[in-house]
Amino acid sequence: EDQVTQSPEALRLQEGESSSLNCSYTVSGLRGLFWYRQDPGKGPEFLFTLYSAGEEKEKERLKATLTKKESFLHITAPKPEDSATYLCASLSYNNNDMRFGAGTRLTVKP
Amino acid sequence: EAQVTQNPRYLITVTGKKLTVTCSQNMNHEYMSWYRQDPGLGLRQIYYSMNVEVTDKGDVPEGYKVSRKEKRNFPLILESPSPNQTSLYFCASRTGTPRGYNEQFFGPGTRLTVL
Repeated sequence: EDQVTQSPEALRLQEGESSSLNCSYTVSGLRGLFWYRQDPGKGPEFLFTLYSAGEEKEKERLKATLTKKESFLHITAPKPEDSATYLCASLSYNNNDMRFGAGTRLTVKP
Repeated sequence: EAQVTQNPRYLITVTGKKLTVTCSQNMNHEYMSWYRQDPGLGLRQIYYSMNVEVTDKGDVPEGYKVSRKEKRNFPLILESPSPNQTSLYFCASRTGTPRGYNEQFFGPGTRLTVL
C-alpha cells in the first residue's frame, strides 16, 4: 500500500535559520509528488509538483527536491510568515487518489 | 475569484442526527472530492466525483454519502453521524486533465463535532 511519512512532526526555527523538511514515500509507479502549505483554519494551498528523481522546483525561499524514496522541502532564511503546516502527497499511476502525509508544522520565530 | 466554498464552517451535533455539508465551486471543474483531516493521519479521501452523476468511494467512505446532481455542487451527507466522524472536512476541486492535480483547489474546511 502506498505510504507517505513526513518528519519532523513539528519544527521551530529562528528567523533566518535554514532547514529542511522530509517526506518519505513508498509508491508503486509514482506519477507525481506534491507539496502544499496549510495555514490555520484554511485549506491546503498548492506549492509544487515533482515528477521524477533529480527534479527541483523553487519558489521564493522554498526549494523542493525529489529522489526515488524521498522529497525534501528546503527553507532558506525563513521569515515568520513562512510559519504553516507543510503537507506532501504522492500520486501513483494505479489510482486516482493522492496519498497525504500527516504534515510538518513549522514555526518561525522573529 | 476562483474558489471552493463550504458550509457550515463549524458544526456541533449529536449522534444520529442527519446532516449535510455543502460544497460549491465556481471554476467549472469536473473533478470534486471530499477529505477528512485528523491529527497524525493526514488528509484521507472519503468520496470523489469525476463528473455529474459519477461518484466513487475513496479510502474512508463508511458512514458517508455524496451526490453530484450539478457540476458545481458536491454535498457530503452523514445520515447517522457518530463520534468517530468528528473531524475537519475539506472539499476540493480540479479539472479532469492529468495536469489538474497541479491546480487542485481546497475549500476552507468544516470542523464537525459529533457528541
